[in-house]
Amino acid sequence: NAGVTQTPKFQVLKTGQSMTLQCAQDMNHNSMYWYRQDPGMGLRLIYYSASEGTTDKGEVPNGYNVSRLNKREFSLRLESAAPSQTSVYFCASSEAQTSGRSHEQFFGPGTRLTVL
Amino acid sequence: AQSVSQHNHHVILSEAASLELGCNYSYGGTVNLFWYVQYPGQHLQLLLKYFSGDPLVKGIKGFEAEFIKSKFSFNLRKPSVQWSDTAEYFCAVNAGYGNNRLAFGKGNQVVVIP
Repeated sequence: NAGVTQTPKFQVLKTGQSMTLQCAQDMNHNSMYWYRQDPGMGLRLIYYSASEGTTDKGEVPNGYNVSRLNKREFSLRLESAAPSQTSVYFCASSEAQTSGRSHEQFFGPGTRLTVL
Repeated sequence: AQSVSQHNHHVILSEAASLELGCNYSYGGTVNLFWYVQYPGQHLQLLLKYFSGDPLVKGIKGFEAEFIKSKFSFNLRKPSVQWSDTAEYFCAVNAGYGNNRLAFGKGNQVVVIP
């Protein structure tokens, strides 16, 4: 099993350009997440999808859109990139919460994005 | 919204020293608590988790954490660190969301000097 995969690993954009970050998981998980990681800020949730067909905003959704394409895939789109979106982006997946009990989130290797 | 506080963002210690990292959260109901570790250049991995029962939880690589409900804390400990424990450590909380969403602390950057 590959677990959670992300493409690309690195990307450099100019301000105003658009791009889509891809994420796929092969663990048959219901829930998927997109985070950004910035120095000294920890991980901040951008969007999540509790189950196929649903998406919800996290802490920092502005400037991003997501698509839960199917159970395996969850993409993150930057429509008009800004320097403030320079960050490392992590995708994660997990089982859905059951009986109030959370499950471990499994993380991908990350995408390092620089916006000039 | 839940908040998670981790203090002493940068910690430097020598091999064989003991490590304790603090984590406090701001939610009065039932919580699920996690510690994740990120080794240099790698993605996050689960160290340990607490749902219920024994408040002292043992994880991988000799780490343990203690849940103290009255203090809203879930501190991580290791009695004797190794150089390979150099990493960033994140506390995360699931509280009252109704789904598996987590709130993460800002992390502790730990450097172990050989």
